[in-house]
Amino acid sequence: GQNIDQPTEMTATEGAIVQINCTYQTSGFNGLFWYQQHAGEAPTFLSYNVLDGLEEKGRFSSFLSRSKGYSYLLLKELQMKDSASYLCALDTGGSYIPTFGRGTSLIVHP
Amino acid sequence: KAGVTQTPRYLIKTRGQQVTLSCSPISGHRSVSWYQQTPGQGLQFLFEYFSETQRNKGNFPGRFSGRQFSNSRSEMNVSTLELGDSALYLCASSLEGGAGQPQHFGDGTRLSIL
Repeated sequence: GQNIDQPTEMTATEGAIVQINCTYQTSGFNGLFWYQQHAGEAPTFLSYNVLDGLEEKGRFSSFLSRSKGYSYLLLKELQMKDSASYLCALDTGGSYIPTFGRGTSLIVHP
Repeated sequence: KAGVTQTPRYLIKTRGQQVTLSCSPISGHRSVSWYQQTPGQGLQFLFEYFSETQRNKGNFPGRFSGRQFSNSRSEMNVSTLELGDSALYLCASSLEGGAGQPQHFGDGTRLSIL
């Protein structure tokens, strides 16, 4: 099976940079997803990493290292609206159903 | 393009009752998955349907069941409700549930058991 670990909660200041880590243990996977979920709303897709390295998409970037078993989501120029839960999920080959971590609740304060 | 629609948004039931939740996927999406989300356990996979067939199943008791219709709409049923079934139930759709296809989630049904 898969084991995914994320910090439960993080706080950061508006305008700053924050890195949300996700470590995993799995025998194999296609790629890794990141989703954002605001309180009371549906999770929305942020990124998908297949290859090692950093993928940048505006203020958000996602990094994957298969050899080290970890990924991170980097959020730059934080805004208050970035306060949300961030979920990483493994895209596993067998079932094609992603396995989600428990999510990291990010609180951005002024 | 309309997103994933779940009904109802909120539901209150009592122990022992049963409930049916509905999900309409994005037009053209054939894979529909159901998840249970609670503060303690996060997103737990229930099952996935594709072309009216249950293709994948999570580790939930048989009280949790589902089905998919020919138009890809899906329903989830929970029988003999327990207090621990109180949760947000999320439905997600993707084109075919294949590798690399992101899931598009509905806003969920908040189920409260009294």
